[in-house]
Amino acid sequence: DSGVTQTPKHLITATGQRVTLRCSPRSGDLSVYWYQQSLDQGLQFLIQYYNGEERAKGNILERFSAQQFPDLHSELNLSSLELGDSALYFCASSPTTGWEGYTFGSGTRLTVV
Amino acid sequence: GENVEQHPSTLSVQEGDSAVIKCTYSDSASNYFPWYKQELGKRPQLIIDIRSNVGEKKDQRIAVTLNKTAKHFSLHITETQPEDSAVYFCAASINQGGKLIFGQGTELSVKP
Repeated sequence: DSGVTQTPKHLITATGQRVTLRCSPRSGDLSVYWYQQSLDQGLQFLIQYYNGEERAKGNILERFSAQQFPDLHSELNLSSLELGDSALYFCASSPTTGWEGYTFGSGTRLTVV
Repeated sequence: GENVEQHPSTLSVQEGDSAVIKCTYSDSASNYFPWYKQELGKRPQLIIDIRSNVGEKKDQRIAVTLNKTAKHFSLHITETQPEDSAVYFCAASINQGGKLIFGQGTELSVKP
């Protein structure tokens, strides 16, 4: 167990629908990052939150949004889903100090049918 | 913009041989370079990292080298074992706690 918890593990939904993915960072980590990994693709950075505020934004579609709550858990909302949104969505967290890499959660596998 | 190129995309070696994976980054401000190993269907896991004030770092059979002038960094795995088979990702960041930009990944296959 990495300490980063993602729910649900699997999600199957229809095109046009909206889903919410949830992430709880490791205890004490203030930063949360969201990545998308499509089949045979690398890890595409979506967005970063630090202590409740958006810190950096990557290639995140306008149909996607995220937030980080006061208890530091984060949610990634995906709306108007398309077949191409099917992917593994990873959340990662990192400490506030020190040069440690991210710790990733186990991911949510989203299948849009 | 920020970009990390990784080569090769696939690598097949015999057990016991060495494997080398190379990455190039575009942003000269990058100063932190981790490597992750991802087994099929699992989460990426950090295996080694290096900061820009260090040219080389070693941890048992794994080593990473950094050439800041050329903006290259490489992962070296010696005495490969079948359990080293996985996808390896390099990444770069320009600041502590900042976003990581990942390379495209290298699928390493170690044949017994």
